[in-house]
Amino acid sequence: GIQVEQSPPDLILQEGANSTLRCNFSDSVNNLQWFHQNPWGQLINLFYIPSGTKQNGRLSATTVATERYSLLYISSSQTTDSGVYFCAVEPASGTYKYIFGTGTRLKVLA
Amino acid sequence: EPEVTQTPSHQVTQMGQEVILRCVPISNHLYFYWYRQILGQKVEFLVSFYNNEISEKSEIFDDQFSVERPDGSNFTLKIRSTKLEDSAMYFCASSEQDRAIPYGYTFGSGTRLTVV
Repeated sequence: GIQVEQSPPDLILQEGANSTLRCNFSDSVNNLQWFHQNPWGQLINLFYIPSGTKQNGRLSATTVATERYSLLYISSSQTTDSGVYFCAVEPASGTYKYIFGTGTRLKVLA
Repeated sequence: EPEVTQTPSHQVTQMGQEVILRCVPISNHLYFYWYRQILGQKVEFLVSFYNNEISEKSEIFDDQFSVERPDGSNFTLKIRSTKLEDSAMYFCASSEQDRAIPYGYTFGSGTRLTVV
């Protein structure tokens, strides 16, 4: 089945720094979403982005479907950005489910 | 914005007991899912449900698990005889009916199940 790898696995930043998180997938996808898992375990939807670029405040995301990757940019990071970031993809093979990536654990220091 | 609602938020159960986790998907969605996340690990697919039947299930979803849509609004996951290794966060999700149009999935806040 499709493999979804995220990098880096762990990231520590000072408050105010910028970062780029990457999601690579091994096969074509119909859909892709980025989630932030907060300290309470909730999955917060950040972007639905099967292709193209979107921005929401300090966060933006780009998916290049033909090259099988997506990037999540966090600018001017804040301590509340801490948590685990997951990308999830729906394979184009016709199976209707999301496959989650391995996650990036982000810690932002004050 | 419409939400997927899960109850309870946290459940503690004795090993061997049956548990039922409940979800209320978004009202006009027709595809429903359960996912599981063991502490510190990634989120794993358990089962998808469409048109009142299972459309796909993973290897994790063995005979101890079952799903049901008992009425027009609820979607439940039952674990018949819980084991210690069933301790995890369980997420319900739903998605829109029109597969011809790209869509996103909406996830609930999760139920943290602790088996003791």
